Amino acid sequence: EAGVAQSPRYKIIEKRQSVAFWCNPISGHATLYWYQQILGQGPKLLIQFQNNGVVDDSQLPKDRFSAERLKGVDSTLKIQPAKLEDSAVYLCASSSGQQHSYEQYFGPGTRLTVT
Amino acid sequence: ILNVEQSPQSLHVQEGDSTNFTCSFPSSNFYALHWYRWETAKSPEALFVMTLNGDEKKKGRISATLNTKEGYSYLYIKGSQPEDSATYLCAFVDTGRRALTFGSGTRLQVQP
Repeated sequence: EAGVAQSPRYKIIEKRQSVAFWCNPISGHATLYWYQQILGQGPKLLIQFQNNGVVDDSQLPKDRFSAERLKGVDSTLKIQPAKLEDSAVYLCASSSGQQHSYEQYFGPGTRLTVT
Repeated sequence: ILNVEQSPQSLHVQEGDSTNFTCSFPSSNFYALHWYRWETAKSPEALFVMTLNGDEKKKGRISATLNTKEGYSYLYIKGSQPEDSATYLCAFVDTGRRALTFGSGTRLQVQP
């Protein structure tokens, strides 16, 4: 089966600019996650969708970050305006929600550099 | 805030060496413990999902053990190869939130 797809793979922007990342999960996976991984730290959950509804966005900086999952499939994560501290790898993951262990499948990530 | 810690932060070994890493997590409200391998420029890949105290899992030269009562898991690599070079992440799932809380990872470099 095809894995989780993300684009772009790399992005360099200046602070105060806007940026958007796209994710296409594994077909049939109802749950989609966005993580932020800052260098030297573990991935941190930003937002979790179940189909097209938000389950958990408690760690999403809502003043500048937004995410949507239209039609319960693809998802977009946006940052507007970007700050230097947003430089990180943004990982998308999906799960079927049927495994009781909550196993997730990850995309390759988008590496964002804010200058 | 759940505290998941991994040690060491980084490790350099020679090809053929065996090595191990530690993941520490809260001993209460345990649901599952995941191990992932993340090679540079690739997707994190699931290695093991462990749910029972005393679990031991093995995949080729890599194995893991779990102690939920004391809150730790060990990952072992026997006879390290250069292709084992990656960051190894553990993630704790608690009974309440049921989300992954990651440690900061152990970065392994295997020199040929």
